[in-house]
Amino acid sequence: AQSVAQPEDQVNVAEGNPLTVKCTYSVSGNPYLFWYVQYPNRGLQFLLKYITGDNLVKGSYGFEAEFNKSQTSFHLKKPSALVSDSALYFCAVRDNSGAGSYQLTFGKGTKLSVIP
Amino acid sequence: DGGITQSPKYLFRKEGQNVTLSCEQNLNHDAMYWYRQDPGQGLRLIYYSQIVNDFQKGDIAEGYSVSREKKESFPLTVTSAQKNPTAFYLCASSDRGIYGYTFGSGTRLTVV
Repeated sequence: AQSVAQPEDQVNVAEGNPLTVKCTYSVSGNPYLFWYVQYPNRGLQFLLKYITGDNLVKGSYGFEAEFNKSQTSFHLKKPSALVSDSALYFCAVRDNSGAGSYQLTFGKGTKLSVIP
Repeated sequence: DGGITQSPKYLFRKEGQNVTLSCEQNLNHDAMYWYRQDPGQGLRLIYYSQIVNDFQKGDIAEGYSVSREKKESFPLTVTSAQKNPTAFYLCASSDRGIYGYTFGSGTRLTVV
């Protein structure tokens, strides 16, 4: 079984400050990890993914995420937050063992509010 | 451009009526999914299909039905048996690889 936890329902950060949105996961094998962003009344948009290789993954809009295998975490980060980053963020995981379906499991989402 | 299209964007339904939400993709993806999202809530899986003419129930399938007659299309019918159908519905598709899901822009269904 695979699962994802996003421990914070909401994160507030001042514009210009660094932001972190937390994600931890559980899979039986090795993970494929994803971050998506959702703006109001829109679908989810892909931000970045970790498949293999470098633990620091860079994605769209200046976001990056660090894969930490020992802590089973994949936190989303950005050095300087913008008001336009305010949105709902979802972490997702898939076991890459190749067995069974390739279905993602999503976290419950974290609402990010960037305060001007 | 390849993508996934949901229609309509907004849909109003009277109580007791069935309504069908459209989802079409031209990405040649094998798998397609339907999710429901309520205000302040995460994504809840309704149905998914990994291959044409086959589909499986997700976590909240009661009151919903689907078909997968073509690879490109995965329509969702919200039946009158669904007690609280007002929600935002998201369709997604994926291949067998490492690219995650591609999502449609969603359909907001309101029961009036």
